[in-house]
Amino acid sequence: DGGITQSPKYLFRKEGQNVTLSCEQNLNHDAMYWYRQDPGQGLRLIYYSQIVNDFQKGDIAEGYSVSREKKESFPLTVTSAQKNPTAFYLCASSRGLDGYTFGSGTRLTVV
Amino acid sequence: LAKTTQPISMDSYEGQEVNITCSHNNIATNDYITWYQQFPSQGPRFIIQGYKTKVTNEVASLFIPADRKSSTLSLPRVSLSDTAVYYCLVGSREGPWVTGGGNKLTFGTGTQLKVEL
Repeated sequence: DGGITQSPKYLFRKEGQNVTLSCEQNLNHDAMYWYRQDPGQGLRLIYYSQIVNDFQKGDIAEGYSVSREKKESFPLTVTSAQKNPTAFYLCASSRGLDGYTFGSGTRLTVV
Repeated sequence: LAKTTQPISMDSYEGQEVNITCSHNNIATNDYITWYQQFPSQGPRFIIQGYKTKVTNEVASLFIPADRKSSTLSLPRVSLSDTAVYYCLVGSREGPWVTGGGNKLTFGTGTQLKVEL
C-alpha cells in the first residue's frame, strides 16, 4: 500500500543536540511538507518542497533545516538553534490540487 | 491565503447529524475549500473538498453557498469514533503550486467535536 512513513515515532533530544526526523513517501507525490503542532494548537508550516532539490521556508523555519535530494524523502533536522523544539512533528505530501496525505507523526521531547 | 474562522468546540450525541460551519469572508475567486479530521497523536486525514454548491462522499457532505463566504461540513449520524478535531482550510488554485505540484495550506486551530452516548 502507498503511504507516508515518519520515523521515529518518539524522539528525545538533549539540549544543544541536532536531531533528524525521517519522512518517506511512496505515493509519487511531488510536494512534501513539514508541520509542527503544539498541544491544543493547530498546525504550523515549517518547510515545504514542490520538487526535488528545491524547498521553501514556511511560517516558522528558524532553527530547522531540510533537504530534498530524492522525490521520496524529505528529512527535517531540528538544530540546537531551535529554542523550544518539544512538539509533535507531522510530514505530509500531495500532488497537484489533491488533498494532503499525512504521516503518523514524530513526538520530539527535549530532556 | 484566506483566513478561516470556525467554532472552537461542539458537542453532539451518537446518531445525530453534526454541521460545522466555517467562515472565509475573503475567499478568492480561485480558492477552494478543504476539510480534514485529526485524532489525537495522529496526522490529519482528508475528508472532503469543494469549490461551490454541494459535494458529497461516503463520509460527509460539504455545502457552499453562492457567495462562498462560508461553508458547512455535515456529518450524518455521528458515532463516538467521530470525536476529533475538524479543520477547515482554503487554498488557492493559482501560482506555481498548480504547475509545480502541491498546494500550501494553512491550518487553524480547528473545531473539537465531542460525541457522547
